[in-house]
Amino acid sequence: EVQLLESGGGLVQPGGSLRLSCAASGFTLSSYAMNWVRQAPGKGLEWVSVISVRGGTRDADSVKGRFTISRDNSKNTLYLQMNNLRAEDTAVYFCATEAEPGTLFYWGQGTLVTVSS
Amino acid sequence: DIVLTQTPLSSPVTLGQPASISCRSSQSLVHSDGNTYLSWLQQRPGQPPRLLIYKTSIRFSGVPDRFSGSGAGTDFTLQISRVEAEDVGVYHCTQLTQFPYTFGQGTKLEIK
Repeated sequence: EVQLLESGGGLVQPGGSLRLSCAASGFTLSSYAMNWVRQAPGKGLEWVSVISVRGGTRDADSVKGRFTISRDNSKNTLYLQMNNLRAEDTAVYFCATEAEPGTLFYWGQGTLVTVSS
Repeated sequence: DIVLTQTPLSSPVTLGQPASISCRSSQSLVHSDGNTYLSWLQQRPGQPPRLLIYKTSIRFSGVPDRFSGSGAGTDFTLQISRVEAEDVGVYHCTQLTQFPYTFGQGTKLEIK
């Protein structure tokens, strides 16, 4: 059974940093493209970043230069390093896998990031 | 960026009656590989999104057959043939045809 478990969220001050983790089980994470998607309180979904099977990455303009997606194949874990956080980054962050290209098949439960002083 | 516009944004439906949600794209969602990467997600209250339909019309494993997807190019529709109480939540369309991936605003399905 495919499972994704995010962790690492919390309260951080503007300008601070956090690293989110997404532990995968039931499949080999490096075999599929992996994404981060966020949802601000009471708002819709916003795509954040993707890492391809080959390790190439793409980011939304809103996080470019501040967020970095990566993975550790030995730990079967996806990461999102978030630097220079802003109030508008406050959201629940979900990891999601493309079990085949072009579709976000499986989603984690999400982890809440709150950026506030 | 591709903009996805969902209508309606709110849909009160009587149990057992059909429901329909439209998703209109600002550009064609046909990928250069010939596929159309338009999906529908369901998000129940307090839950993460869950895949219902992918590549316009393919029902994901375990999804009841009362859910169906259709459309092509820029116009897509999610239909529920007979709404049940467990269908309450927000429905999102999403495209992974072109970067950046984008989502519709979401449509809230409520029971009358």
